[in-house]
Amino acid sequence: GAVVSQHPSRVICKSGTSVKIECRSLDFQATTMFWYRQFPKQSLMLMATSNEGSKATYEQGVEKDKFLINHASLTLSTLTVTSAHPEDSSFYICSAETQETQYFGPGTRLLVL
Amino acid sequence: QKEVEQNSGPLSVPEGAIASLNCTYSDRGSQSFFWYRQYSGKSPELIMFIYSNGDKEDGRFTAQLNKASQYVSLLIRDSQPSDSATYLCAPRAPGNSGYALNFGKGTSLLVTP
Repeated sequence: GAVVSQHPSRVICKSGTSVKIECRSLDFQATTMFWYRQFPKQSLMLMATSNEGSKATYEQGVEKDKFLINHASLTLSTLTVTSAHPEDSSFYICSAETQETQYFGPGTRLLVL
Repeated sequence: QKEVEQNSGPLSVPEGAIASLNCTYSDRGSQSFFWYRQYSGKSPELIMFIYSNGDKEDGRFTAQLNKASQYVSLLIRDSQPSDSATYLCAPRAPGNSGYALNFGKGTSLLVTP
């Protein structure tokens, strides 16, 4: 199957700082990538859809000014959590789309103190 | 509202038995259906997908789809302790954000030795 990487795998930061998470498709090109968030014992919630070369599409209730998404190339999308607060602590997972399905990265665990 | 319903479980089966995981969905526009497995603290990994009504087999896994009933299931034959995980059902439908996956909350499976 296709391989998707994420970096960093975990990050701890102070409240008010910004954190950037990278998502890369390693062996295929992905026009579309997705960003999800998962709180403990809950399902994955789609945050936004990232299309190469265009603005991301955000799901209802997700602040686009807080969660900045950049899809600069066919193999890289980044999510920046700006002015992070403790309630932003979560497991952030990206996926990259092929013609048939989505392959997920390993996730980034964010802890905001 | 696009609902995906799964029994949260836990579903407990003895090693070697067949595990049956069920999922119903509300969006009749769903065109393909995916099963992912998620181990605790990890991101989802794709098991298999199905497009057409009927059964599709892949190794120990069989997906079953009935679009008229809006029902999809996953059978795991010869269950192993390593199959213990949360299984996520995800219909895929065209929407505002491309072909997004709509995840259920998942069924927790426990295979006992």
